[in-house]
Amino acid sequence: EVQLVESGGGLVQPGGSLRLSCAASGLIFSTHWMDWVRQAPGKGLVWVARIKSDGSNIKYADSVTGRFTISRDNAKNNLYLQMNNLGAEDTAVYYCTVNPGYWGQGTLVTVSS
Amino acid sequence: QAVVTQEPSLTVSPGGTVTLTCGSSTGPVTSGHYPYWYQQKPGQVPRTLIYDTNNIHSWTPARFSGSLLGGKAALTLAGALPEDEAEYYCLLVQSGALVFGGGTKLTVL
Repeated sequence: EVQLVESGGGLVQPGGSLRLSCAASGLIFSTHWMDWVRQAPGKGLVWVARIKSDGSNIKYADSVTGRFTISRDNAKNNLYLQMNNLGAEDTAVYYCTVNPGYWGQGTLVTVSS
Repeated sequence: QAVVTQEPSLTVSPGGTVTLTCGSSTGPVTSGHYPYWYQQKPGQVPRTLIYDTNNIHSWTPARFSGSLLGGKAALTLAGALPEDEAEYYCLLVQSGALVFGGGTKLTVL
């Protein structure tokens, strides 16, 4: 059974940084593209970033380019999202996802002073 | 990035059939967009119903199906149940990036 467990969310001040982690199990992690998706309170789903199985190909949504960095550690079956210069618009539940359509439970990031 | 469009809301009668669609601002949706469909109920994690146009998961109820229809991706619900009332999102892969639609609020009434 595929399991994705996110961690690292919390309350951070505007302009601050946070690093999210996603621990994956039940799949051959090193062979899968991975994505981060977020959902602001009461809003729709928004794709954030994706990384190829070996880390050689990375894509970002325009809204986070230059501020967020996705990475992975295939030896530890972990996915990461380093988020810098956070603003109120980044407040959301952040989900780790893997095809074909498995989701973690999400971790809440709140950006507020 | 491209804009993906969905009907903001739809209503279906219990036992009825409804089709939700997913269009792209860049042109016709094809299998090369690898359309995904998700169901989300309030307070819950999104659940994947359909992937790669028409593939179902083991947990996808048989009353849901995916297809391409008139240049759009489509999700058809045949035999709606009250528990199908939810928000439905589609996702398309566009130029290596992923784009979600704004969601369709489906009411079973």
